[in-house]
Amino acid sequence: ETGVTQSPTHLIKTRGQQVTLRCSSQSGHNTVSWYQQALGQGPQFIFQYYREEENGRGNFPPRFSGLQFPNYSSELNVNALELDDSALYLCASSKTGLAPLSGANVLTFGAGSRLTVL
Amino acid sequence: AQSVAQPEDQVNVAEGNPLTVKCTYSVSGNPYLFWYVQYPNRGLQFLLKYITGDNLVKGSYGFEAEFNKSQTSFHLKKPSALVSDSALYFCAVRGSHTGGGNKLTFGTGTQLKVEL
Repeated sequence: ETGVTQSPTHLIKTRGQQVTLRCSSQSGHNTVSWYQQALGQGPQFIFQYYREEENGRGNFPPRFSGLQFPNYSSELNVNALELDDSALYLCASSKTGLAPLSGANVLTFGAGSRLTVL
Repeated sequence: AQSVAQPEDQVNVAEGNPLTVKCTYSVSGNPYLFWYVQYPNRGLQFLLKYITGDNLVKGSYGFEAEFNKSQTSFHLKKPSALVSDSALYFCAVRGSHTGGGNKLTFGTGTQLKVEL
């Protein structure tokens, strides 16, 4: 089975610009989560998408937005980039079903997209 | 609110010796606890999880973790460390009463360095 793939791996933007990051889920997974990992920090939850709708959001402003497509791939969009947006952006996929303990699902992470904002 | 504390930024251990990476948590409801490992320029890799049942959980690469409800801890352990275990380790928690997605709250990470 294929894992989670993210693109691009590295990119550099300037303040005020917009960026789109892409993620392909692991085969068989229907849920995508995005995390921001600043240097020296643990990953911070941005939001999750299930059935093409946002299903949970962390403490991030509206300029962080996303999409999930019918094939379960996803995009993270960030508008009006700020210097503090410089980070590793991680995509994670999982399989959400009707069974209990769905919150115990293991997330499979991609290698991330490293964004530098100058 | 849920939170995770990893009190040690770095743990140094000699190869062949046992290792422990500490984690304590705070969460509403019953905790779902996870350990992930991150190698340089890589994403996070799942090691093990605690959902319910036995307090000692066994995972990948010989790692295990002990859940202690009274101390709200979930320390990662390995009986005999390898140089190849050197990496950044993250503890994460999600509460059973947390709605709205798979939000995992991660600790700040512990850098494990195993030396010959």
